Amino acid sequence: GQNIDQPTEMTATEGAIVQINCTYQTSGFNGLFWYQQHAGEAPTFLSYNVLDGLEEKGRFSSFLSRSKGYSYLLLKELQMKDSASYLCAVRDQAAGNKLTFGGGTRVLVKP
Amino acid sequence: DAGITQSPRHKVTETGTPVTLRCHQTENHRYMYWYRQDPGHGLRLIHYSYGVKDTDKGEVSDGYSVSRSKTEDFLLTLESATSSQTSVYFCAISERDATDTQYFGPGTRLTVL
Repeated sequence: GQNIDQPTEMTATEGAIVQINCTYQTSGFNGLFWYQQHAGEAPTFLSYNVLDGLEEKGRFSSFLSRSKGYSYLLLKELQMKDSASYLCAVRDQAAGNKLTFGGGTRVLVKP
Repeated sequence: DAGITQSPRHKVTETGTPVTLRCHQTENHRYMYWYRQDPGHGLRLIHYSYGVKDTDKGEVSDGYSVSRSKTEDFLLTLESATSSQTSVYFCAISERDATDTQYFGPGTRLTVL
């Protein structure tokens, strides 16, 4: 099976930077996804990493280290609208490329 | 946004009654998925489909069945609902195969009394 860990909750100030960590254990790693989910809404796709390194998309960046089983999502210049849950999901080739999700990290942005 | 709708969006039902949730997509994507989301568990895969009439079980399939008679529709049925099936149900789609990014529908909140 798979094990995906991410912090339950984080608080940060508007304009600041927050880093959300995700660690995973899987037998056939084949990609890691980050989704954003506002309360009462659907998850929306943010980023995808399959090779080591940093992927940057505007204010959001995602990093992957396959050897360490580790990823982080970096949110820069935080805005109030970034208050949401952030879901880490790992695709496992040994499980037919199905996604396994972590429990999500709720980020609260304060003024 | 991917063209995915779910119906109903909210439903309250009683233990022992059958319930069917519908996912409809206008993207002509091959793969469709049903997940449930519960506090402390994250999203968990119930069933998925890799084509018309082709379905397979996910992590938490007990008590659920699915059908896909058309590319655009994927139905999730609770044959006899139980209180443990109270949850938010999300449908997702991916274009060609399981390696493509999944896009989610708006969700259905189901309460079983």
